[in-house]
Amino acid sequence: EPEVTQTPSHQVTQMGQEVILRCVPISNHLYFYWYRQILGQKVEFLVSFYNNEISEKSEIFDDQFSVERPDGSNFTLKIRSTKLEDSAMYFCASRTGQGSSGANVLTFGAGSRLTVL
Amino acid sequence: AQTVTQSQPEMSVQEAETVTLSCTYDTSESDYYLFWYKQPPSRQMILVIRQEAYKQQNATENRFSVNFQKAAKSFSLKISDSQLGDAAMYFCAYRGTSGTYKYIFGTGTRLKVLA
Repeated sequence: EPEVTQTPSHQVTQMGQEVILRCVPISNHLYFYWYRQILGQKVEFLVSFYNNEISEKSEIFDDQFSVERPDGSNFTLKIRSTKLEDSAMYFCASRTGQGSSGANVLTFGAGSRLTVL
Repeated sequence: AQTVTQSQPEMSVQEAETVTLSCTYDTSESDYYLFWYKQPPSRQMILVIRQEAYKQQNATENRFSVNFQKAAKSFSLKISDSQLGDAAMYFCAYRGTSGTYKYIFGTGTRLKVLA
């Protein structure tokens, strides 16, 4: 079964360092998302991406965050200067889009755990 | 703004018994999608079941079924014949159709299954 792949599974970084989290969505999916979850708590929306641009972002997604799809397969989340409070599990998710079975079902990756020291 | 509320932080059920997890939501939209996701200790979010608001019939997937009450804005998940592998966090999620892409998740219910 197709799956969303995320790397790394766990990254430890020093405060102020840049971090890039990578995701390979399912190949025929058109909508891409990043969510984060702090310590098993609420799953928070960060950003959605469609047609090579951000379609929606939350208040959490400030200037320290950016996303891109550099090569048509990878979907990356960059945090420019990490803070302690950025420590969380980051989930990538994708879905197909309109007019197909399961078009609105989000498929999640296994997550990338980020620890900021 | 839409909100999703799960009022049960934790629930327990005996193996082979039935349990119902509650979810309510608030929206002014008439067309939307509702989901239950399971998050086992591995942390990956797995779709359990989905419901389109325009469908009156409650969705079922094997031992999992929902009770969708559109007027009451309620979307509960029933797990029948509970198994040890059902132990996980369960998140209710909402996605509207009016110019938004995001999925809104509730705070989750931790389900414990007792042998």
